[in-house]
Amino acid sequence: ETGVTQTPRHLVMGMTNKKSLKCEQHLGHNAMYWYKQSAKKPLELMFVYNFKEQTENNSVPSRFSPECPNSSHLFLHLHTLQPEDSALYLCASSQATGASGNTIYFGEGSWLTVV
Amino acid sequence: DQQVKQNSPSLSVQEGRISILNCDYTNSMFDYFLWYKKYPAEGPTFLISISSIKDKNEDGRFTVFLNKSAKHLSLHIVPSQPGDSAVYFCAASASYNTDKLIFGTGTRLQVFP
Repeated sequence: ETGVTQTPRHLVMGMTNKKSLKCEQHLGHNAMYWYKQSAKKPLELMFVYNFKEQTENNSVPSRFSPECPNSSHLFLHLHTLQPEDSALYLCASSQATGASGNTIYFGEGSWLTVV
Repeated sequence: DQQVKQNSPSLSVQEGRISILNCDYTNSMFDYFLWYKKYPAEGPTFLISISSIKDKNEDGRFTVFLNKSAKHLSLHIVPSQPGDSAVYFCAASASYNTDKLIFGTGTRLQVFP
């Protein structure tokens, strides 16, 4: 069992659809993250949750809506996306934010295609 | 403005030889650096890290060197193996903002027999 699992691994959705990405971590961590990886761009931090509280929203459009019901689960709700939102969405976790030497562990990612 | 730069998009190395991947950063507040490795269709996996209080950290075949004055770090893989073929990302963070890892664009390493 991997430490951070994401479902679905692949998702194709229309611009008017509503879908969600799910992430679960089994590492006992308290911080969870959503990152976006587009082609030929660095990984971009989207959201950070620490002990279920959102601590970072990196100017992400409101068509992306995160939800963190507990320290082990993180969702990314998607609605009225654009084709340029097609990317690899990576969930990650770490022990907690605010600690020096914070190592982040990633899931395998969810490939999203918006048509 | 990219704060973490990996200027070589790709690198090809023969099996058994040394692979050297480079990374430069611009923010002098960065004090923790990490390398991640990513295979196609998988998420990045943590490889090795280094704190700014050190200039070298070694873990098996992997060694990371940090030159703070030059704002430069490098990852050495010795000896290189075909299984090391992947994309390598450099990342950095600052003590005041540890949850914000800034990544480079990655270097694709290919190790050929």
